[in-house]
Amino acid sequence: KQEVTQIPAALSVPEGENLVLNCSFTDSAIYNLQWFRQDPGKGLTSLLLIQSSQREQTSGRLNASLDKSSGRSTLYIAASQPGDSATYLCAVIQGAQKLVFGQGTRLTINP
Amino acid sequence: DAGVTQSPTHLIKTRGQQVTLRCSPKSGHDTVSWYQQALGQGPQFIFQYYEEEERQRGNFPDRFSGHQFPNYSSELNVNALLLGDSALYLCASSLVGRGGTDTQYFGPGTRLTVL
Repeated sequence: KQEVTQIPAALSVPEGENLVLNCSFTDSAIYNLQWFRQDPGKGLTSLLLIQSSQREQTSGRLNASLDKSSGRSTLYIAASQPGDSATYLCAVIQGAQKLVFGQGTRLTINP
Repeated sequence: DAGVTQSPTHLIKTRGQQVTLRCSPKSGHDTVSWYQQALGQGPQFIFQYYEEEERQRGNFPDRFSGHQFPNYSSELNVNALLLGDSALYLCASSLVGRGGTDTQYFGPGTRLTVL
């Protein structure tokens, strides 16, 4: 059974810092990995999708990496801003587009 | 281009009642998945519908059932509600047929409170 773990559960940093969120998974037989952002009480916004054959994806200040052999992914956020405050979820995609999520990292950027 | 829409936004029910939640997928998408997200947790996969049939199911009891209509919209039904069913219910749509990608788009969710 696939299990996805995100560390840390919560993170608070001052504005402007670069930061890394971690995601690990137990079964390397995945199709893709997807990072989402969730604002309080809201739905999920897709940030980055990494195909299983890729090593990383970039979008603006966000960079996500994937190492299937070690069962790890990281989300790097450069020059953090207060508007980046949210919960970040990673999910691995297994057969037939079923997403298995981690519990999320609650990120707070302090002005 | 409308994204994924869900209704209602919020719902309050009492134990033992039944509830129906609705989802309209993003235009052009043919697959709908439902997830349950308890407070402080990551979403848990309930089931997925494609071509009006349940394609796969997560570890949820038979009290949870669903339906997909010819226009690809979907309903989630929960019978005999329990306090533990209180959660945010998320719908996601994607394109499986015709060589689509795996990117899933989520709706804003329905907040269900069971008293």
